[in-house]
Amino acid sequence: NAGVTQTPKFQVLKTGQSMTLQCAQDMNHNSMYWYRQDPGMGLRLIYYSASEGTTDKGEVPNGYNVSRLNKREFSLRLESAAPSQTSVYFCASSELRTHQGAFFGQGTRLTVV
Amino acid sequence: DAKTTQPTSMDCAEGRAANLPCNHSTISGNEYVYWYRQIHSQGPQYIIHGLKNNETNEMASLIITEDRKSSTLILPHATLRDTAVYYCIATMYSGGGADGLTFGKGTHLIIQP
Repeated sequence: NAGVTQTPKFQVLKTGQSMTLQCAQDMNHNSMYWYRQDPGMGLRLIYYSASEGTTDKGEVPNGYNVSRLNKREFSLRLESAAPSQTSVYFCASSELRTHQGAFFGQGTRLTVV
Repeated sequence: DAKTTQPTSMDCAEGRAANLPCNHSTISGNEYVYWYRQIHSQGPQYIIHGLKNNETNEMASLIITEDRKSSTLILPHATLRDTAVYYCIATMYSGGGADGLTFGKGTHLIIQP
């Protein structure tokens, strides 16, 4: 049981380049999340998906797009990367109906130069 | 989500019980208390949650006061690997729902050899 898997683990981009961060969960959860964490700060929600086919903006959505491809996968896309998007990105999943805790991936460390 | 207040940092000797307090005096009746931890550079890890009753699992125990205004996370036999930032979160929904989880500053628990 892998839980939540994120790829890649590390990435360096040049300003203006695009990339997609991948996330997949194998727990059959309906809800999935993308967060970013900057040094010394807490996690901030970028986007949320309550179920397949639905997405909602979180606290810091500007500069990002998401796609809930199916129940398992939730991707985060940076169309034109900026240095301000240098951060650690975490994907998470949960099942609202059970009140069990959310499960997080190990993160993608992104540097934009 | 109700606001939570935790001490900034705590020390505990290896092998002793670590007791981490959390104040959530404005918690509403349908909000659960969740505890997560984040070991350096890793994704947050769910530990335990509760509504009214005390709870125990293989990782920890959660003691919630009768008025639900505060709680204590207990790690019964702390090891060096328990050094992490611990977050107490009060929320109705597993994963926080559309607002995600509010991770605040948490308590930095340092286990001393």
